[in-house]
Amino acid sequence: EVQLVESGGGLVQPGGSLRLSCAASGFTFSTYAITWVRQTPGKGLEWVSTIGGRGIFTYYAESVTGRFTISRDNSKDTLYLEMNSLRAEDTAIYYCAKANGVLTGFLDVWGKGATVTVSS
Amino acid sequence: DIQMTQSPSTLSASVGDRVTITCRASQSIGVLLAWYQQKPGKAPKLLIYKSSNLQSGVPSRFSGSGSGTEFTLTITSLQPDDFATYYCQQHDIYSLTFGGGTKVEIK
Repeated sequence: EVQLVESGGGLVQPGGSLRLSCAASGFTFSTYAITWVRQTPGKGLEWVSTIGGRGIFTYYAESVTGRFTISRDNSKDTLYLEMNSLRAEDTAIYYCAKANGVLTGFLDVWGKGATVTVSS
Repeated sequence: DIQMTQSPSTLSASVGDRVTITCRASQSIGVLLAWYQQKPGKAPKLLIYKSSNLQSGVPSRFSGSGSGTEFTLTITSLQPDDFATYYCQQHDIYSLTFGGGTKVEIK
């Protein structure tokens, strides 16, 4: 079964850091781009970042550029999102999702999400 | 960045109704548009990709059409399980922008 499972969410103070992980199974991980999408409570979906299958190409939304770093370990079939200088507006459910292509594409498999709360 | 605009933001309908949701892109994206369904407390689920291709396992009452900047999602006969929020998303360039969502409510 193709599956993505996020972990690492939690409560963090403004200015703090957190690392999310996304463990993949059921498909050839290195063949596909993986994306982080977040959803603020009661609001819509916001693309955060994408990393290509080989980990060479990375893309970020303007709202997180310079603060978030996406990476992957293809030997462990795991994706990461390192989040620094967190702000209240980063509070959201963070989903990892598999793209259908090696660099980008539509998102055909989603994890269940990890909740990040930034509050003092 | 490409902006995606969905309408309406809320739609009230009854079981059996035909429902149409529109999505407009700020620039041409060819047919590189996807539709997702999201229910409360759940992750989004892919329904349609490349404008009109039905994802495996999705009921045939869902269909998509359009190209360039105008796209539609149609549900031919609304079922109780279809009451949810629907999002469009362009997958033309790496910044995968989403529309604001359309909540389909029970009338």
